[in-house]
Amino acid sequence: DVKVTQSSRYLVKRTGEKVFLECVQDMDHENMFWYRQDPGLGLRLIYFSYDVKMKEKGDIPEGYSVSREKKERFSLILESASTNQTSMYLCASSFPSFTSGSTYNEQFFGPGTRLTVL
Amino acid sequence: AQSVTQLDSQVPVFEEAPVELRCNYSSSVSVYLFWYVQYPNQGLQLLLKYLSGSTLVKGINGFEAEFNKSQTSFHLRKPSVHISDTAEYFCAVSDSPGNYGGSQGNLIFGKGTKLSVKP
Repeated sequence: DVKVTQSSRYLVKRTGEKVFLECVQDMDHENMFWYRQDPGLGLRLIYFSYDVKMKEKGDIPEGYSVSREKKERFSLILESASTNQTSMYLCASSFPSFTSGSTYNEQFFGPGTRLTVL
Repeated sequence: AQSVTQLDSQVPVFEEAPVELRCNYSSSVSVYLFWYVQYPNQGLQLLLKYLSGSTLVKGINGFEAEFNKSQTSFHLRKPSVHISDTAEYFCAVSDSPGNYGGSQGNLIFGKGTKLSVKP
């Protein structure tokens, strides 16, 4: 089974702190994703990476950065945490699959990190 | 740009009753569609997906969904729900199917429907 792990289930930080959220996958997947999940807003894509040292902005990248030094690990960084970044953060990985000449990503999710910024 | 609309934010239902969770999408191209489930305090788990072929797709835990191209819908159904089906359900569409690489094939999620099964 594919396993995606996240370093913490619950995290409490103070405003202005630098925060690292770590995600590791064990299936040699090329693609990795960071989402935040808020009530009534669903999942919103922050950043994704389709290769080591590659990254692309998602829909809401402001206030975040990412690092992918190794294929299995994708880190989300909050340079200076703010209260509006209190949220559930979900990491996912995927491999590109092909059907009928097109690409889709079947994503596998970690358990999530519930971050509270005070 | 593609989008996904889940028409109900909350669906309460009694145990053993049937349920339908509605999902509509907008797209000008062929799409791939997914339903994910999130149990309390867990990540998302794939329930089922539609890629091509038969419009009726069967998934895990007795769920099924029907792809309707003319109505741009992909509603999720279960004929008889259990307490353990209480969870949040997300519909997703794969964006811009096309050549491999970059953002091709990423998922766009709806805002979720909370299914609450009561005894």
